[in-house]
Amino acid sequence: EAQVTQNPRYLITVTGKKLTVTCSQNMNHEYMSWYRQDPGLGLRQIYYSMNVEVTDKGDVPEGYKVSRKEKRNFPLILESPSPNQTSLYFCASSLRVGKGPDRYTEAFFGQGTRLTVV
Amino acid sequence: GDSVTQMEGPVTLSEEAFLTINCTYTATGYPSLFWYVQYPGEGLQLLLKATKADDKGSNKGFEATYRKETTSFHLEKGSVQVSDSAVYFCALPAGGTSYGKLTFGQGTILTVHP
Repeated sequence: EAQVTQNPRYLITVTGKKLTVTCSQNMNHEYMSWYRQDPGLGLRQIYYSMNVEVTDKGDVPEGYKVSRKEKRNFPLILESPSPNQTSLYFCASSLRVGKGPDRYTEAFFGQGTRLTVV
Repeated sequence: GDSVTQMEGPVTLSEEAFLTINCTYTATGYPSLFWYVQYPGEGLQLLLKATKADDKGSNKGFEATYRKETTSFHLEKGSVQVSDSAVYFCALPAGGTSYGKLTFGQGTILTVHP
């Protein structure tokens, strides 16, 4: 089954304690990204990766790191979490579909990681 | 920059009622437009899409028409069910080299009562 798998689903941690949220996709997609979802703000992109060893900042990258050593994995790292990083996080992988004017990109999302930093 | 604005929620309806969720966008050119749905406890999944102006996307009884004159992509369903209770997001892609990036609206929470 084609899927994006995130772990853990729920995490409560303390300020300053480093943590990693893992993300893995089995669809061989080149593009992967991380979003955070906050009430009233929708989803905002944190970091993205166009391919192995190619990563770049999204709209809200402060306080986060990522790596892309393998095509299937794209972990999100919080070196020193703070309470303002309490949020719902989604990993996504994307695929270009179609050709010409009907071409579009479809994103596939993981189930989310609810992070609470106290 | 590109942006998406959705109607304020939450929306509460009775089963079989008509649903409209408004979405307007600001973008350069005529990008593809999407509606994503997030069921409780799950990630987002693509509900429907339109790749060019005047296209109508449809899926699971939902429809949305890409109207360039009003820069809108309103979501409609003629008769909602309890199982449609979810959060709905309007979105458009960044395009270019960051083709996988999506700009989302705020999300609209829909609750359907029996």
